[in-house]
Amino acid sequence: EAAVTQSPRNKVAVTGGKVTLSCNQTNNHNNMYWYRQDTGHGLRLIHYSYGAGSTEKGDIPDGYKASRPSQENFSLILELATPSQTSVYFCASGDAGAANERLFFGHGTKLSVL
Amino acid sequence: GDSVTQTEGLVTVTEGLPVKLNCTYQTTYLTIAFFWYVQYLNEAPQVLLKSSTDNKRTEHQGFHATLHKSSSSFHLQKSSAQLSDSALYYCALLNTGNYKYVFGAGTRLKVIA
Repeated sequence: EAAVTQSPRNKVAVTGGKVTLSCNQTNNHNNMYWYRQDTGHGLRLIHYSYGAGSTEKGDIPDGYKASRPSQENFSLILELATPSQTSVYFCASGDAGAANERLFFGHGTKLSVL
Repeated sequence: GDSVTQTEGLVTVTEGLPVKLNCTYQTTYLTIAFFWYVQYLNEAPQVLLKSSTDNKRTEHQGFHATLHKSSSSFHLQKSSAQLSDSALYYCALLNTGNYKYVFGAGTRLKVIA
């Protein structure tokens, strides 16, 4: 079964601080995604990547940066965290073009910005 | 851009009765696939159903859905709800042009005894 691991699982940050959320996948999938989950909004796409060195803006990229240094790793960076970024963040990977293409999600990171 | 609409935030149904979760979409792309994801409490979302074929019924774990491009819908149904079906359900669209997945706001299904 495909594996996506996120760290940390929980994070408390201060307003204005820098936060880095990490994601590692062992599926050798080309595509990786960062979503945030908020009640009433569902899963909203922040950034995604087609492979190492590639990052693309999703639907709500403001206030976030992303980094894909390798096939396995995809980070989400909040340079200046704000309370509005308090949320649960999910990383996912997908095998683009495969017949059974679908997303495999990590268990999420709960971020609280105080 | 693409969008997915799930009209009900919460659906409550009695165990053993049928359930239907609604999903409609808007897209300008021709090559698309549709999914239902389920998220149990304190778990990650996982795929429940997938379809890209118009008017073909897809089934898994007692749930079924049929993609109807004429009405831009992909509703999820089950003939007899179980207590264990209580979860958050997401409808999602995959644009295979740019490989962006777009999710709806989610519907929480609560099955009561």
